[in-house]
Amino acid sequence: QQKVQQSPESLIVPEGGMASLNCTSSDRNVDYFWWYRQHSGKSPKMLMSIFSNGEKEEGRFTVHLNKASLHTSLHIRDSQPSDSALYLCAARGGGNYKPTFGKGTSLVVHP
Amino acid sequence: GALVYQYPRRTICKSGTSMRMECQAVGFQATSVAWYRQSPQKTFELIALSTVNSAIKYEQNFTQEKFPISHPNLSFSSMTVLNAYLEDRGLYLCGARGQQDTQYFGPGTRLLVL
Repeated sequence: QQKVQQSPESLIVPEGGMASLNCTSSDRNVDYFWWYRQHSGKSPKMLMSIFSNGEKEEGRFTVHLNKASLHTSLHIRDSQPSDSALYLCAARGGGNYKPTFGKGTSLVVHP
Repeated sequence: GALVYQYPRRTICKSGTSMRMECQAVGFQATSVAWYRQSPQKTFELIALSTVNSAIKYEQNFTQEKFPISHPNLSFSSMTVLNAYLEDRGLYLCGARGQQDTQYFGPGTRLLVL
């Protein structure tokens, strides 16, 4: 069964700084990754999805994917206190339509 | 655009009672639906994967007897939590697979058990 590892477990960055979060799948056939943000007490909201090697940027958020290393990363530039949340990565193995979630990275952006 | 709705968004039930939650795909046909539970410890666990015209596959620690699922058509799935107890509380999320292998997640149903 696929495992999705996220690192670090928690991260503290200053306001205006860069936050970098990592996610790796154990499934060599992984074909899709999603990044979600979940504020305390709320439902997760999808930030971005990626399935092609390379980089995808939306505003302050950039996602990288390297399928060969089964790894994706999320980078948040100019971090704001409102970015403080739990960031969840989900991955889906090719031919196995069961996305698996990681345990998340807890991000705190301090003013 | 493609969206997934879940209903209710939040519900409270008494210990030992049951509650049903729904997942509706809008703008696309959901050929499979995956149901998850996020525990208070924040981990998302896959409960089961339901594929139209195939048997529903439950993950370890989850059974049909406890979480019966209905997936009658390509836009709708429902799951019931039978005899809910404190350990069943959490956020229940559905993820629907559309055409071209896209996957969409709903906003979740939050279950509180008293």
